[in-house]
Amino acid sequence: RKEVEQDPGPFNVPEGATVAFNCTYSNSASQSFFWYRQDCRKEPKLLMSVYSSGNEDGRFTAQLNRASQYISLLIRDSKLSDSATYLCVVNFMNSNSGYALNFGKGTSLLVTP
Amino acid sequence: EAQVTQNPRYLITVTGKKLTVTCSQNMNHEYMSWYRQDPGLGLRQIYYSMNVEVTDKGDVPEGYKVSRKEKRNFPLILESPSPNQTSLYFCASSSLGGLGRTQYFGPGTRLLVL
Repeated sequence: RKEVEQDPGPFNVPEGATVAFNCTYSNSASQSFFWYRQDCRKEPKLLMSVYSSGNEDGRFTAQLNRASQYISLLIRDSKLSDSATYLCVVNFMNSNSGYALNFGKGTSLLVTP
Repeated sequence: EAQVTQNPRYLITVTGKKLTVTCSQNMNHEYMSWYRQDPGLGLRQIYYSMNVEVTDKGDVPEGYKVSRKEKRNFPLILESPSPNQTSLYFCASSSLGGLGRTQYFGPGTRLLVL
């Protein structure tokens, strides 16, 4: 079973739509959670951290459900510039390195006019 | 400006010709890491380093070497490149303090091994 799983998409949505991405993780010891955005042929960049109480940054809302080991990202009022791949990232402590990041394979979003 | 730099950005080489991809960060981060990204496989960690002179294997270390002689630099070495190492490579760094350790990525190095 993959450590972090995401629906690869692609999600094709019209401008102005609301779209939600989901992510599940398998390691219950996971401690911190992030969404990264990656544009085509570019490096991943942090979009937002995900907190247990849920958090919002403008049109973006992230939710965490530790009991279900599930993370979500909601994008409201989609813009053309939101087209990218969204990576779910989970951080946990392990006995070897004390620190490990697991990346999902990403969900592709295309916002169309 | 806080950043992670990688060189070269693009490289075409032939099988067996040793190469080094440099990575440098100016944020005084303890943790540095190399990833490769391939279509359908996502980001896979090659090697990482928790601090100077401390390196460890990631998920796909075969065919690669690294060194961490200075805190800011973390070069990736391919002693004898093969075509299956054709990929997009990213270096990343982060601090070790706290749990919310965001990683900062370099711009990537596109490698083609013929």
